[in-house]
Amino acid sequence: DAKTTQPTSMDCAEGRAANLPCNHSTISGNEYVYWYRQIHSQGPQYIIHGLKNNETNEMASLIITEDRKSSTLILPHATLRDTAVYYCIVRVGIQGAQKLVFGQGTRLTINP
Amino acid sequence: NAGVMQNPRHLVRRRGQEARLRCSPMKGHSHVYWYRQLPEEGLKFMVYLQKENIIDESGMPKERFSAEFPKEGPSILRIQQVVRGDSAAYFCASSPVGDWQPQHFGDGTRLSIL
Repeated sequence: DAKTTQPTSMDCAEGRAANLPCNHSTISGNEYVYWYRQIHSQGPQYIIHGLKNNETNEMASLIITEDRKSSTLILPHATLRDTAVYYCIVRVGIQGAQKLVFGQGTRLTINP
Repeated sequence: NAGVMQNPRHLVRRRGQEARLRCSPMKGHSHVYWYRQLPEEGLKFMVYLQKENIIDESGMPKERFSAEFPKEGPSILRIQQVVRGDSAAYFCASSPVGDWQPQHFGDGTRLSIL
């Protein structure tokens, strides 16, 4: 599995954009980048995923560098409810071996 | 659309008893995954199943743990002769067919061993 590196913690002011970086320098050409978050002790929530193009959905945007060695998750207008641990995961994509490998993630705190 | 349903939400067992955790995947999803989160630790993969087949059980402890996903009904994670160290949150996820489809998680079962 390609390993990912994320900052341990980040702070962001409510209403501002939260930019969460992730390094995945050993990613393979056919591996996707997935982002999940876990609010308190709830189940992980899927946010977004991408291969090489930038992606956007109702929750967030994902910016992947051209060399695919890093990516940034953007929450455009952070709210207090976005306080959570955010996980960047490079998916083991071989058919039949599709487990997610969670690292320590980034603990994002949104401040009022 | 109903999400991944897990029950019970909380389960208390005494040492030596059996624990059965159930997971109903999202409608249209045929792949089920189980993960465990020990207190103050990250999520760890346990097992990946498709209907009536175990595809990857590389994260399952060798003894006392088993999982199934029958043709009809929910997926079951079974822990026999529970010990204090089994206390954890157990999360189930499901996904549809397709290598790159994201997994969607349930809210978990909190297992406490007395």
